[in-house]
Amino acid sequence: GAGVSQSPRYKVAKRGQDVALRCDPISGHVSLFWYQQALGQGPEFLTYFQNEAQLDKSGLPSDRFFAERPEGSVSTLKIQRTQQEDSAVYLCASSLAKWSWQETQYFGPGTRLLVL
Amino acid sequence: EDQVTQSPEALRLQEGESSSLNCSYTVSGLRGLFWYRQDPGKGPEFLFTLYSAGEEKEKERLKATLTKKESFLHITAPKPEDSATYLCAVQVPGTYKYIFGTGTRLKVLA
Repeated sequence: GAGVSQSPRYKVAKRGQDVALRCDPISGHVSLFWYQQALGQGPEFLTYFQNEAQLDKSGLPSDRFFAERPEGSVSTLKIQRTQQEDSAVYLCASSLAKWSWQETQYFGPGTRLLVL
Repeated sequence: EDQVTQSPEALRLQEGESSSLNCSYTVSGLRGLFWYRQDPGKGPEFLFTLYSAGEEKEKERLKATLTKKESFLHITAPKPEDSATYLCAVQVPGTYKYIFGTGTRLKVLA
């Protein structure tokens, strides 16, 4: 079956531009995570959705970052007024059930964002 | 502070040369420790979950073990296709958050 997909795969933005990154989780997956991965680093947790509810947004680095999942499937991560420090790979992961620490997360390929 | 540290940062092995990767963690009340493999340009791919000290899991040439302070990923007789970055992560109790280490970049030479 299809895995997690993300689009676009690459995005170049000028500083100050707004960007929107899309995540299509595996069909039927309840849980959805967003991570930010800087070059040479491990993924850093940004936010967690259970269906359409955003249960944890403690990892969002600033109020310029906003995530939504209005119908409990596709999710969008929006970054307003991009800065150079926002350059990173943004990873989306989904898991089948509502949150449980035992649940396996399935990652998408990521969106590589470069802010000039 | 909850933290995950992986070592070494990078490792070069000859094909067939076995070795181990280390993941040490500081988190109160560990629920689960996770190992992932990440190839360039791709998202992490799940390998193992370990729940309690003394637990071991195996998959092909990989074996993961867990103690109260650290986990090891043992690679037996590696092949070039095992070249990747190996990440470990822990779940932070009482939150929805997972903390990842910075990974070990493994290169297996033919």
